[in-house]
Amino acid sequence: DQQVKQNSPSLSVQEGRISILNCDYTNSMFDYFLWYKKYPAEGPTFLISISSIKDKNEDGRFTVFLNKSAKHLSLHIVPSQPGDSAVYFCAAISNSGNTPLVFGKGTRLSVIA
Amino acid sequence: KAGVTQTPRYLIKTRGQQVTLSCSPISGHRSVSWYQQTPGQGLQFLFEYFSETQRNKGNFPGRFSGRQFSNSRSEMNVSTLELGDSALYLCASSATSAYEQYFGPGTRLTVT
Repeated sequence: DQQVKQNSPSLSVQEGRISILNCDYTNSMFDYFLWYKKYPAEGPTFLISISSIKDKNEDGRFTVFLNKSAKHLSLHIVPSQPGDSAVYFCAAISNSGNTPLVFGKGTRLSVIA
Repeated sequence: KAGVTQTPRYLIKTRGQQVTLSCSPISGHRSVSWYQQTPGQGLQFLFEYFSETQRNKGNFPGRFSGRQFSNSRSEMNVSTLELGDSALYLCASSATSAYEQYFGPGTRLTVT
């Protein structure tokens, strides 16, 4: 059973437009969510996170929105740049104990110049 | 600070062989986690070690094992390799819990 789902394996966006990457989760114990970005031949790098006590967190061009009732989060990138082309992983964790991060399968974002 | 390092970066093995991968965490980090990444499957959690003790374990067969040394360096071992074990194996370290893990570049294992 997949506890963290990224239903879009790929997304293509024009440079300068908004990229919206979506993530759904099923485990109501998750209370902290993270986005990682991965380039080929490199390990994932932490991008942005959000706690379940918030519904929005912003860092420069990146904003994460959390809808707890829908068990849904999204990452918005505005404006999108060609360097944003990468695979984006959504991850979730429960703060109730020393549990591991649970990752989605990733969404490959291509930003076209 | 130096980042997470993994050796070797690339490895080709034959079915039935065994392999050992190594991970050196960021200095001061005591938690090391291992993940398997295959096309279409995302990052699947293998296990986590904290202060030389396995703290969490994913849903992988017993052929996958690991350990952590007193200097926090970690190794993972896969015995009796199968073609399906071909993957990118990622190691991540963190200071305490799984929050904000820092990943190494991975070891690309190919089983033929």
